[in-house]
Amino acid sequence: QSALTQPPSVSGSPGQSVTISCTGTSSDVGSYNRVSWYQQPPGTAPKLMIYEVSNRPSGVPDRFSGSKSGNTASLTISGLQAEDEADYYCSLYTSSSTLVFGGGTKLTVL
Amino acid sequence: EVQLVESGGGLVQPGGSLRLSCAASGFTVSSNYMSWVRQAPGKGLEWVSVIYSGGSTYYADSVKGRFTISRHNSKNTLYLQMNSLRAEDTAVYYCASTPNKAAPPDYWGQGTLVTVSS
Repeated sequence: QSALTQPPSVSGSPGQSVTISCTGTSSDVGSYNRVSWYQQPPGTAPKLMIYEVSNRPSGVPDRFSGSKSGNTASLTISGLQAEDEADYYCSLYTSSSTLVFGGGTKLTVL
Repeated sequence: EVQLVESGGGLVQPGGSLRLSCAASGFTVSSNYMSWVRQAPGKGLEWVSVIYSGGSTYYADSVKGRFTISRHNSKNTLYLQMNSLRAEDTAVYYCASTPNKAAPPDYWGQGTLVTVSS
């Protein structure tokens, strides 16, 4: 099973924008548009924020956006708010019907 | 309203067994793609297993041969039978669902804690 690489932590001040990267390989991220992003505040279950690289489920603010370039997917949060402080995970469904998660990125709002 | 409620977690000795349940409401388990995802204390998310609406099952290498995913259609409940448990299986176990194949789970339960320790 492939591994997705995320930075351990990122930070930003309220109102700023932050971007979290998720790097895979040409065999996974680079080949499929199945990258998703989850938000997990402490002590809670994960919440789906982005699916298929750049689509937002109903109810997710448009401050959250996703993109992909080559083997790297990215989650950008604009207009940072205190409530955005959480762990963020990228994920990818592989061709062998398994789901792979990145290691997670802790977002700190300064 | 869609709801997933896990139960069955607890303390078990290494080598022991445990069965987790995930009771669903607001949708039909057998028509969805149901997954188990776990999170060790202070660690990231790890996918464990999935059962497709057609009944096909898939497992992470770390649990293959030890864990079995299943469902009871009339009870609208998902299960995870865990055998030969190891200390490294200690985690919060979440069940999650999606209506579409190869789509990320969009509904999650609150999780149940499994602790493997002597």
